[in-house]
Amino acid sequence: AQSVTQLGSHVSVSEGALVLLRCNYSSSVPPYLFWYVQYPNQGLQLLLKYTTGATLVKGINGFEAEFKKSETSFHLTKPSAHMSDAAEYFCAVTKTLAAGNKLTFGGGTRVLVKP
Amino acid sequence: EAQVTQNPRYLITVTGKKLTVTCSQNMNHEYMSWYRQDPGLGLRQIYYSMNVEVTDKGDVPEGYKVSRKEKRNFPLILESPSPNQTSLYFCASSLGKGRDEQYFGPGTRLTVT
Repeated sequence: AQSVTQLGSHVSVSEGALVLLRCNYSSSVPPYLFWYVQYPNQGLQLLLKYTTGATLVKGINGFEAEFKKSETSFHLTKPSAHMSDAAEYFCAVTKTLAAGNKLTFGGGTRVLVKP
Repeated sequence: EAQVTQNPRYLITVTGKKLTVTCSQNMNHEYMSWYRQDPGLGLRQIYYSMNVEVTDKGDVPEGYKVSRKEKRNFPLILESPSPNQTSLYFCASSLGKGRDEQYFGPGTRLTVT
């Protein structure tokens, strides 16, 4: 069974500082990897995803993530935090099975940005 | 505008009173799914559907029913709600492949007293 672990349920960063959100997954086969963001009182929207090819993936709003197969990790970074980055972030993995797609989310990391 | 809509957005009900949360998408997506979100647990899949009349259980299906009679609609039914079903519910849709992005509705906050 696949699982996703996000280290730290809450992260506080200063405006302009590096944002680093950690995600590790367990999967018997290479999965598809996603980061979603949830702004207050909204649904989730895709930040970025890794399917195949280049392991450094760039997403919206200046975020990027690197797939490291040897470490089974897909950490999310942004060089300089902005107040608008305050949100909850979810790492997710999916596999396509005969019966359908299995999407598994991590527990989420809430980011607070301090002025 | 491409979107997933859910109704109602907020619902307070009592134990045992049947309810339905509707979900509709206008993107002609094959795949639809329901999740519940609870603090510290992320989102957990309740049921999903690969196409009309094709549904299957996710990780937490107990106490829920679904149906997919039309491609665009995927209602979630709670036949006899209980307080442990108090949660934030999201409907999502996608083209259907594992690599495809899922598009989420705005959520339905359900409280069962």
